Amino acid sequence: EAGVVQSPRYKIIEKKQPVAFWCNPISGHNTLYWYRQNLGQGPELLIRYENEEAVDDSQLPKDRFSAERLKGVDSTLKIQPAELGDSAVYLCASSPGGQGVLETQYFGPGTRLLVL
Amino acid sequence: KNQVEQSPQSLIILEGKNCTLQCNYTVSPFSNLRWYKQDTGRGPVSLTIMTFSENTKSNGRYTATLDADTKQSSLHITASQLSDSASYICVVSVDSNYQLIWGAGTKLIIKP
Repeated sequence: EAGVVQSPRYKIIEKKQPVAFWCNPISGHNTLYWYRQNLGQGPELLIRYENEEAVDDSQLPKDRFSAERLKGVDSTLKIQPAELGDSAVYLCASSPGGQGVLETQYFGPGTRLLVL
Repeated sequence: KNQVEQSPQSLIILEGKNCTLQCNYTVSPFSNLRWYKQDTGRGPVSLTIMTFSENTKSNGRYTATLDADTKQSSLHITASQLSDSASYICVVSVDSNYQLIWGAGTKLIIKP
């Protein structure tokens, strides 16, 4: 079974430019998460989807970040415009859904973003 | 404030030796505690998950313990291997809203 797929793996852009990350979750997983991980820290949840619906986007900086999950499968996270402080690893994870607080998340390899 | 603190921040041990990583949390209401392993350049992978009523759980050479009274957990690695070199992250789930509180991780380096 294929795992969570993310692309690109690496991205270098100049500040004020837009950037987009793509995630394909494990087949059949209803729940999808986007995290940001700064160096030496644990992941920080940006947004959680249940199928197409964003059920928790409280930590998403909505002035510059946006996300969508078309047809409840693939998802795209966008930053426009990017700032120096956005340099981080952006992780996508998915889980089957329906297991409540015991839900196990499966992570992709992440996209490492460097903003110059 | 819900927090998860891990110690040590980093650890270097020789291959074949045992080690124990610590996690202290102040999370309420508590639901469960997880340990993840994150290899460099990869996403985290779940090792164990323990609910309030569980004191210990093993996954191969990894054994996690939970003391819900003192709000402490440990991850013990037996007979370490070079492939154990990674960051180990403690994560506590909040019962009321499925929120996960992530620690900063312990970076473990195994030397031959």
